[in-house]
Amino acid sequence: GESVGLHLPTLSVQEGDNSIINCAYSNSASDYFIWYKQESGKGPQFIIDIRSNMDKRQGQRVTVLLNKTVKHLSLQIAATQPGDSAVYFCAVGYGGATNKLIFGTGTLLAVQP
Amino acid sequence: GAGVSQSPSNKVTEKGKDVELRCDPISGHTALYWYRQRLGQGLEFLIYFQGNSAPDKSGLPSDRFSAERTGESVSTLTIQRTQQEDSAVYLCASSISRGQGSGYTFGSGTRLTVV
Repeated sequence: GESVGLHLPTLSVQEGDNSIINCAYSNSASDYFIWYKQESGKGPQFIIDIRSNMDKRQGQRVTVLLNKTVKHLSLQIAATQPGDSAVYFCAVGYGGATNKLIFGTGTLLAVQP
Repeated sequence: GAGVSQSPSNKVTEKGKDVELRCDPISGHTALYWYRQRLGQGLEFLIYFQGNSAPDKSGLPSDRFSAERTGESVSTLTIQRTQQEDSAVYLCASSISRGQGSGYTFGSGTRLTVV
């Protein structure tokens, strides 16, 4: 079955440093990948997505990298700010059926001033 | 409305009681999803509604769980005979249509505590 996991449950970084959050997935048929940010007491908020026909996609201060060979996904946050402190989830879908996104456990990003 | 609204935001109930959770999706969003999030865990898919199609109930954990949605409006998630293991945050999301993961908008959730 599908499983999605994160390598590090907690990541502590200094303000201004770059952050890298990793995610592994198991289903090679997965073709759609999303990163969400969840702040305390709020629902997850979309950050960036990528489809399997791409290896890299950039947004504002964020980059998602996809390595289909090893079924690995990462989120890079440049110049991490205190406002980036949150739990980050990867989510995986396949066949366009994002009605069943599979979410990872989440990584808590703690930005130290 | 401007966002997905869920009520109540917090619910404490006694074991064995029934609870009803409400979700108001964004107007015009045909797809509506319910997820469960246990403490320190990821989001667990429960049920999906798409317009007037039959809902995908494959994620409901037991027959104590049910959900309804009238057209493309409000949805209610009902948990009967609540158990302590049902304690979690229940999140609702809506999107314009299926296959729009980037368009998922989540509500803030209902935190359910069964004592």
